[in-house]
Amino acid sequence: AQSVAQPEDQVNVAEGNPLTVKCTYSVSGNPYLFWYVQYPNRGLQFLLKYITGDNLVKGSYGFEAEFNKSQTSFHLKKPSALVSDSALYFCAVRDRNSGNTPLVFGKGTRLSVIA
Amino acid sequence: NAGVTQTPKFQVLKTGQSMTLQCAQDMNHNSMYWYRQDPGMGLRLIYYSASEGTTDKGEVPNGYNVSRLNKREFSLRLESAAPSQTSVYFCASIQKGGQQVLNTEAFFGQGTRLTVV
Repeated sequence: AQSVAQPEDQVNVAEGNPLTVKCTYSVSGNPYLFWYVQYPNRGLQFLLKYITGDNLVKGSYGFEAEFNKSQTSFHLKKPSALVSDSALYFCAVRDRNSGNTPLVFGKGTRLSVIA
Repeated sequence: NAGVTQTPKFQVLKTGQSMTLQCAQDMNHNSMYWYRQDPGMGLRLIYYSASEGTTDKGEVPNGYNVSRLNKREFSLRLESAAPSQTSVYFCASIQKGGQQVLNTEAFFGQGTRLTVV
């Protein structure tokens, strides 16, 4: 069975500082990995994905994530945080080698960027 | 350019009442999903439909039924609502499914906030 762990419920960072939101995953085969962001009272918005190839993936709003197969991690990063980045972030995984299995999400990490 | 549309946006039910949450996508996606979001629990999959004509249970299917009416529409029904079903419900669609490898991101609706009293 596939699963995602986001070990931090809350991450606080000062505006202008780098931010990291952690994600580790478990799949039986090779993963497809995704990050989504949710603003208050909104649906989830896609940020970036790892499918194959370069382990460093760049996405929307200056976010990037690094796929680390040996550590089964896919941490979300941004060099300089903005107050507007404050939101709920979800990591998701799907086993690339399976047929119809759906996306499995982590429990989410609330990012708070303080001015 | 609607994407994924959910109705209604808000609903209050009494225990034991039934209702259907509607979801429609206009992106010609094969796969559709229903998730519920609860504080501290993240998104949990209720049911999904990998392609038109198929449905499968997710992590938390009890108390729910689904219908994949056609390629565009995937509805979620609560036959006898319970307070434990108070949640925010999200519908999502993905371009590929069935026997094909999924390699695109999911698109989400804006959610239905359901309260069961």
